[in-house]
Amino acid sequence: QLLLQESGPGLVRPSETLSLTCTVSGGSIRPSSYYWGWLRQSPGKGLQWIASVYYRGNTYYNPSLKSRVTITVDTSMNQFSLKIDSVTAADTAVYYCARMWEIRDWFDPWGQGTQVTVSS
Amino acid sequence: QSVLTQPPSVSGAPGQRVTISCTRSSSNIGADYDVHWYQQLPGTAPKVIIHGNSHRATGVPDRFSASKSGTSASLTISGLQPEDEADYYCQSYDNGAVFGGGTKVTVL
Repeated sequence: QLLLQESGPGLVRPSETLSLTCTVSGGSIRPSSYYWGWLRQSPGKGLQWIASVYYRGNTYYNPSLKSRVTITVDTSMNQFSLKIDSVTAADTAVYYCARMWEIRDWFDPWGQGTQVTVSS
Repeated sequence: QSVLTQPPSVSGAPGQRVTISCTRSSSNIGADYDVHWYQQLPGTAPKVIIHGNSHRATGVPDRFSASKSGTSASLTISGLQPEDEADYYCQSYDNGAVFGGGTKVTVL
């Protein structure tokens, strides 16, 4: 059974960089035809896709966040990571990592999510 | 403004049928991408229940069904159960994954 687990600080100061890692267990990121993605959900709001990465390092970003976001993959550690620069309170959300079957496909499975709060 | 528009809420009594619509905005009206549906129970991550417009995910009860026609898709729950009370999201593609705003299903 494939499991994904998010990890990272729960509190980030405004203007700093948010860094999260997703560890994949029960399966390998490489080689596979899957894509690996990050999403978030703000309090009381809907879902937003942030970015996705292929095991070879091909990256795909939400145009509205692209200038501040970097997604990377580390196949040796079976992990992929997210960085968001210059965070504000608007970046406060539950962050999820998930697998995509193709870049235009659905997300399954998802990690349990991790709460990140941006506050001084 | 979401590319995909869903009603904020729907409700029904146990055993009734409810339908949730998901309409693509005119920003990419010519696109013909698949629509997928997720169920999110309180305090949990979303879980895919329908993928590829109408294919039920493994283990999903057959009271859940979905269809897509043109720029609109819909999810139907036939025989509503108390455990179906949750938020439901549609998802498609528009220069990246896009989601509807979500629909809260309340079982009366």
